[in-house]
Amino acid sequence: GENVEQHPSTLSVQEGDSAVIKCTYSDSASNYFPWYKQELGKRPQLIIDIRSNVGEKKDQRIAVTLNKTAKHFSLHITETQPEDSAVYFCAASDFNDMRFGAGTRLTVKP
Amino acid sequence: NAGVTQTPKFQVLKTGQSMTLQCAQDMNHNSMYWYRQDPGMGLRLIYYSASEGTTDKGEVPNGYNVSRLNKREFSLRLESAAPSQTSVYFCASSASDTMNTEAFFGQGTRLTVV
Repeated sequence: GENVEQHPSTLSVQEGDSAVIKCTYSDSASNYFPWYKQELGKRPQLIIDIRSNVGEKKDQRIAVTLNKTAKHFSLHITETQPEDSAVYFCAASDFNDMRFGAGTRLTVKP
Repeated sequence: NAGVTQTPKFQVLKTGQSMTLQCAQDMNHNSMYWYRQDPGMGLRLIYYSASEGTTDKGEVPNGYNVSRLNKREFSLRLESAAPSQTSVYFCASSASDTMNTEAFFGQGTRLTVV
């Protein structure tokens, strides 16, 4: 089955700096790569996703890049704000399976 | 719309007790899922249902059973709880009958087995 590795496990940045979280996957059949944000005590919520026919996608301060050849994808957050502090999960999916990374705890210091 | 609703929010069980976690969605979604979340391990799929009347095992199904009661409701049952089942459980749903679409999560159930 699919295996997703996520790095780093914790990340601390100053407000206004950029944050990058990286994930690798093992199954070349994976074709959907979502990113979820989970605030403390809350449910995971989708913040951005990308499909395998696209190399990059942006939504305001958030972007995701995908390298299918290398089997890795990354989340980029620019101009970080304290409300970006949360745990971020990547995932890789094909039609019948979705596997999540272990999560990255991002702390944005004012 | 309430989205995905789980009950209960918190539960403490003694080893060997049984219980059922309830989940309902009001978005007319085809697929429903049960995940468990443990520290440092992300979300792991227990069971899923791609459509009413079908259920399939996920990554960690042992010790659990599920029922897709109708299109709206998907329950998770622990027949004989064990301390290893202490976790936060999330129900989720998605519009498609495949997994490669956005999942909408419930608020979670924190289960402690003593």
